[in-house]
Amino acid sequence: SAVISQKPSRDICQRGTSLTIQCQVDSQVTMMFWYRQQPGQSLTLIATANQGSEATYESGFVIDKFPISRPNLTFSTLTVSNMSPEDSSIYLCSVVRLSPPRGNTIYFGEGSWLTVV
Amino acid sequence: AQKITQTQPGMFVQEKEAVTLDCTYDTSDQSYGLFWYKQPSSGEMIFLIYQGSYDEQNATEGRYSLNFQKARKSANLVISASQLGDSAMYFCAMRWGGSQGNLIFGKGTKLSVKP
Repeated sequence: SAVISQKPSRDICQRGTSLTIQCQVDSQVTMMFWYRQQPGQSLTLIATANQGSEATYESGFVIDKFPISRPNLTFSTLTVSNMSPEDSSIYLCSVVRLSPPRGNTIYFGEGSWLTVV
Repeated sequence: AQKITQTQPGMFVQEKEAVTLDCTYDTSDQSYGLFWYKQPSSGEMIFLIYQGSYDEQNATEGRYSLNFQKARKSANLVISASQLGDSAMYFCAMRWGGSQGNLIFGKGTKLSVKP
């Protein structure tokens, strides 16, 4: 398995502010992924964070709104900028980890539950 | 396009009984992977089980087993001997083709275990 820690676990944020979520993995991984889960919904991929290059964003997500950093192979941050109530979601980071005999398995962090008021 | 369908919004099961959560998928890729995750009310996503498209045997992980029927494109999760702590949302997800970590998810099934 993988130990993936996220901070903050929960936060209540004011409209118009920005918040940075941290994701720390217990060992080096090539790619990290950021997902969003809006209330009562399933998960949607925001972007893939690669070390040493810019993040790759999925359709509907832009760097100005969700800037991502990946300074090393065990850490990444996601910033939710200029927040509105529609950004209230659980944000989760995930990693791919080789887990014999299954092969490449995808593990998630504990999630960061943001409420924008 | 890839798609995951979970048709059961909610399920009830009696404690100690087995329950099957349905998942069907759609992809034209030959190589793909199917995952099941458990999400308690705390919000974390807990990995349960994985099945690769080329795996001939159904995956098992403790009380969890995956009933993989490739021709029907179904990957149902079977939980044996349900426990009260199994009450949670359960998501089926698929990784396709060359994607390493990009998962598409179903809408989830809320399982409630009754004492």
